[in-house]
Amino acid sequence: DTGVSQDPRHKITKRGQNVTFRCDPISEHNRLYWYRQTLGQGPEFLTYFQNEAQLEKSRLLSDRFSAERPKGSFSTLEIQRTEQGDSAMYLCASSLRREAPEAFFGQGTRLTVV
Amino acid sequence: QQPVQSPQAVILREGEDAVINCSSSKALYSVHWYRQKHGEAPIFLMILLKGGEQKGHDKISASFNEKKQQSSLYLTASQLSYSGTYFCGTENSGNTPLVFGKGTRLSVIA
Repeated sequence: DTGVSQDPRHKITKRGQNVTFRCDPISEHNRLYWYRQTLGQGPEFLTYFQNEAQLEKSRLLSDRFSAERPKGSFSTLEIQRTEQGDSAMYLCASSLRREAPEAFFGQGTRLTVV
Repeated sequence: QQPVQSPQAVILREGEDAVINCSSSKALYSVHWYRQKHGEAPIFLMILLKGGEQKGHDKISASFNEKKQQSSLYLTASQLSYSGTYFCGTENSGNTPLVFGKGTRLSVIA
C-alpha cells in the first residue's frame, strides 16, 4: 500500500469558482479526516468519516464546504464559490479505528484562490 | 477542544535536549505526536493511549500522565534532522475527531 493519496497536489482557481479535491485513504482504513492548514498553524479540523458516515463537521466550516465518502472508500471535498480566504493546504488523513488508531496524512492539496 | 502546546518555539544546538508539552483541561482518550517539515505533510511519530504510558524509539520518546491530561515529547541528543514543527493531536473519546494543537517549532543548529 502506498499510503494516503490526494489529488490534485496543487490547484489555482479564480474567486467564485468551485473546486473539488479527492482523497484515497490507506486500503481498509475506515476513518477518514479532512483538515485545513495555513502557514504557521496546526491542522484545523474540518470533518471526518467513519466508513461512509460523516460523523462530525466543524462548526466553523462554511456551508460552501461539503464532503462525501461514497461506499466508504475515497472521499471528496468540494468548496463552492471560493474566496481568497480559502487559500490553504487541505490535508486528508486516515486511520483504522480500534485496531490501529494512529492517523496517517496524505501530501495535501495546496489551493490558491486568485 | 484544541490542546495547548508549549513552548511555541525552541532553538537547540546539536546534542541538546528538548521537551514539548501538550495539555488539556479534560482527560483524553489518546494523544498523537507528529513532526512536520516545511512544505511537507505531518509525519506520525507515536500514539499514547494509557495513563502513565511511556513510549519511544531512538532518541525521541513521549509520556502520558496518569490523569491523561498531559503528554510530553522528549527529544534527546538532538540532531539537525529533528528540526521541524511538532504537533500533538488529541481525542477526547473514541467517538470524537482528532484535533491538533498550534504546534511547537523546533530548530536545531550546528
